[in-house]
Amino acid sequence: EAGVVQSPRYKIIEKKQPVAFWCNPISGHNTLYWYLQNLGQGPELLIRYENEEAVDDSQLPKDRFSAERLKGVDSTLKIQPAELGDSAVYLCASSHSGGQPRTDTHYFGPGTRLTVL
Amino acid sequence: AQKITQTQPGMFVQEKEAVTLDCTYDTSDPSYGLFWYKQPSSGEMIFLIYQGSYDQQNATEGRYSLNFQKARKSANLVISASQLGDSAMYFCAMREGGSGAGSYQLTFGKGTKLSVIP
Repeated sequence: EAGVVQSPRYKIIEKKQPVAFWCNPISGHNTLYWYLQNLGQGPELLIRYENEEAVDDSQLPKDRFSAERLKGVDSTLKIQPAELGDSAVYLCASSHSGGQPRTDTHYFGPGTRLTVL
Repeated sequence: AQKITQTQPGMFVQEKEAVTLDCTYDTSDPSYGLFWYKQPSSGEMIFLIYQGSYDQQNATEGRYSLNFQKARKSANLVISASQLGDSAMYFCAMREGGSGAGSYQLTFGKGTKLSVIP
């Protein structure tokens, strides 16, 4: 079974430029998450989707960040314009809801390492 | 207050020895889940082991076991017979809630960097 796919793996951009990250979750996983991981820290949630609905975006900086999951499968996270402080790893994860809820396990993709110059 | 505390920024262990990575957590929710993930230098977070708050026995998965002490709110990861490939960052995480079906966010600690010495 294929894991969570993310692209690109690495991205270097100038500040004020836009950037987009793509994620394809594990087949059949209805819940998709975007996490931000700063250097030396654990991941922090940006947004959670249940199917195509964003059910928790309280930690997404909406002035410059946006996300979509139009058909409830793959998702795109966008930053416009990027700032120096956005340099980090952006992790996508998916899980399957509705089975054993307490054991909903996040399966992570390899992440996209963003460097803003 | 931090919900997940990992007090060991770095740990060294001799190959083939056992090592314990510490994790304490803070929650008032009676239903929660605790997870350990491994993050090698490649960056991917790899799920290792899960412990539910109502589970009576400590979780085990191969060389990984979780020393769950509910009253002390600790969930330490024990890796037996360390291998060179175990060198990585290890993150403890908690998911609160769980009444009914649904997925909730994970709250992560800052991680422990484990280095296995040949």
